[in-house]
Amino acid sequence: EDKVVQSPLSLVVHEGDTVTLNCSYEVTNFRSLLWYKQEKKAPTFLFMLTSSGIEKKSGRLSSILDKKELFSILNITATQTGDSAVYLCAGRRLKTSYDKVIFGPGTSLSVIP
Amino acid sequence: EAGVTQFPSHSVIEKGQTVTLRCDPISGHDNLYWYRRVMGKEIKFLLHFVKESKQDESGMPNNRFLAERTGGTYSTLKVQPAELEDSGVYFCASSQEKQRGGYNEQFFGPGTRLTVL
Repeated sequence: EDKVVQSPLSLVVHEGDTVTLNCSYEVTNFRSLLWYKQEKKAPTFLFMLTSSGIEKKSGRLSSILDKKELFSILNITATQTGDSAVYLCAGRRLKTSYDKVIFGPGTSLSVIP
Repeated sequence: EAGVTQFPSHSVIEKGQTVTLRCDPISGHDNLYWYRRVMGKEIKFLLHFVKESKQDESGMPNNRFLAERTGGTYSTLKVQPAELEDSGVYFCASSQEKQRGGYNEQFFGPGTRLTVL
């Protein structure tokens, strides 16, 4: 059965710290790895990673995929209180002609001043 | 442009009652997905519509759940009769028509929190 595992499940850091969130996956017909940020309500899309070793960056956030080890990390540098959220990792699986997304449980990040 | 909207934002019902959740996707999005997150667990796929057709309903828990998307616009998810284990947050997402080899981002709604007492 397809599975996405995230660690840690919960993390509390101080503003300015750097954090690394982990995601491992076992997804049949794997196409890409997705990261979402969920604050109070709807998850919002951060990154899609398809190729190994190519870092994607957006401001203080960056992510990389290792397709050999079936692993991805999301880094956040110089954290701010606004980074407090649940970060969801998801595997995108190709199923016939459409995509299916399998989510991990999320990492709840709290950034305290 | 309006995002995906869901109604109601929160519903509290008693076991055995019926509840209908509604999702309005982004205008023009052919793909509509329902997901559910129960307490402490991951977001799980329920089903996928392409326009008005059910493309994949493999995630629907049982026959107490019925999803419809008449006319290919908004969708409803009815739970009848509701059980305690149905409590959770129900998310809807929509995306554009899939391009060959590409990925069309799924835009999520804010979710409906369902509490069954």
